[in-house]
Amino acid sequence: QKEVEQNSGPLSVPEGAIASLNCTYSDRGSQSFFWYRQYSGKSPELIMSIYSNGDKEDGRFTAQLNKASQYVSLLIRDSQPSDSATYLCAVTTNQAGTALIFGKGTTLSVSS
Amino acid sequence: NAGVTQTPKFQVLKTGQSMTLQCAQDMNHNSMYWYRQDPGMGLRLIYYSASEGTTDKGEVPNGYNVSRLNKREFSLRLESAAPSQTSVYFCASSEGGRVFFGPGTRLTVL
Repeated sequence: QKEVEQNSGPLSVPEGAIASLNCTYSDRGSQSFFWYRQYSGKSPELIMSIYSNGDKEDGRFTAQLNKASQYVSLLIRDSQPSDSATYLCAVTTNQAGTALIFGKGTTLSVSS
Repeated sequence: NAGVTQTPKFQVLKTGQSMTLQCAQDMNHNSMYWYRQDPGMGLRLIYYSASEGTTDKGEVPNGYNVSRLNKREFSLRLESAAPSQTSVYFCASSEGGRVFFGPGTRLTVL
């Protein structure tokens, strides 16, 4: 049973719109939550981390965490074609020490 | 700082051959990891090492062995490669919850 679930997409939004990416996780003991961006043929890069309930904003990115619902989301405001990539949700679990467990990723396409 | 480096970048093996994927980090991180990434499957944890001298199995450890040679280096060995091990392999290291990935090794097993 996959512990982190994401819609695979593709999610298509026009340039300038808000892109909303969602993720659910199964381990209630998870403490740390991350969003990674991965361009085709490249390695994942960290864009946001969140550890407590609520919103965390960084530039055009906002991460939202609801531990009661076991739900994490990423909002990208003013989406740009350069945001087109696969976005990976990752969480830490009690079963794997500090290792991250990843969802399968959501592919975002921003059209100009 | 080079960050996390991996060698080789590409490799083609025949079924049954063995090989070792090398990984090194220069960030003085305690924790290191090996993931594989397959189309439609996302990143899956193979093995991890919380500190020098310790290793633990992840989600998909079968067919692999690892060695944490020292704090910098964490190698992944395929003793008898199978076509199902065709994948992109990422090494990573972390400190304080932030995980940094190497550039990946694209492995094909024929």
